[in-house]
Amino acid sequence: AAGVIQSPRHLIKEKRETATLKCYPIPRHDTVYWYQQGPGQDPQFLISFYEKMQSDKGSIPDRFSAQQFSDYHSELNMSSLELGDSALYFCASRSAGGQDSSYNSPLHFGNGTRLTVT
Amino acid sequence: LAKTTQPISMDSYEGQEVNITCSHNNIATNDYITWYQQFPSQGPRFIIQGYKTKVTNEVASLFIPADRKSSTLSLPRVSLSDTAVYYCPLAGNKLTFGGGTRVLVKP
Repeated sequence: AAGVIQSPRHLIKEKRETATLKCYPIPRHDTVYWYQQGPGQDPQFLISFYEKMQSDKGSIPDRFSAQQFSDYHSELNMSSLELGDSALYFCASRSAGGQDSSYNSPLHFGNGTRLTVT
Repeated sequence: LAKTTQPISMDSYEGQEVNITCSHNNIATNDYITWYQQFPSQGPRFIIQGYKTKVTNEVASLFIPADRKSSTLSLPRVSLSDTAVYYCPLAGNKLTFGGGTRVLVKP
């Protein structure tokens, strides 16, 4: 079965550079989530999109922005990179099921992009 | 925001049953209880979810008491490949991960 695809798998940048991470959700999934996981830490929610609109916002720095496109893929743009941005960045997708509160489909995660800032 | 609490780590042996309990005292009415497994450098993988009572699938069982303030993931007959970190994020609009439980399965 198709899974969530993230690219690139690895990315090395220098401080103050920019980076763009891409996420291709499972077909027919309309909701995308971005998470950041630092070394030895738990995944932290950054931002989510439903039907191309931002649906929720977590601990995403102002230097980061994201969007979901008409084909439902999403991009996380990161500027003025800092050493502390080095982490695994996961994208997850699900079908929101029409936002029906009685139905809650699980999130499917990609294998992440490992960003190293030097 | 509802917070979850789990043991930091647990050790087990191959073939044993592993039970991991998660506390979520402030769970919201519309939150589902979900469990995910994560291997190093991989994305979390969905295991099981439930709203109340007991749920069972091909890999695990989930026990939820009537007050829903806790839940227990049961992994029957674990193998070495079950060594991983297990999380119990509550699923409302998004998943919020608290500290997971590092399970080590020994031969």
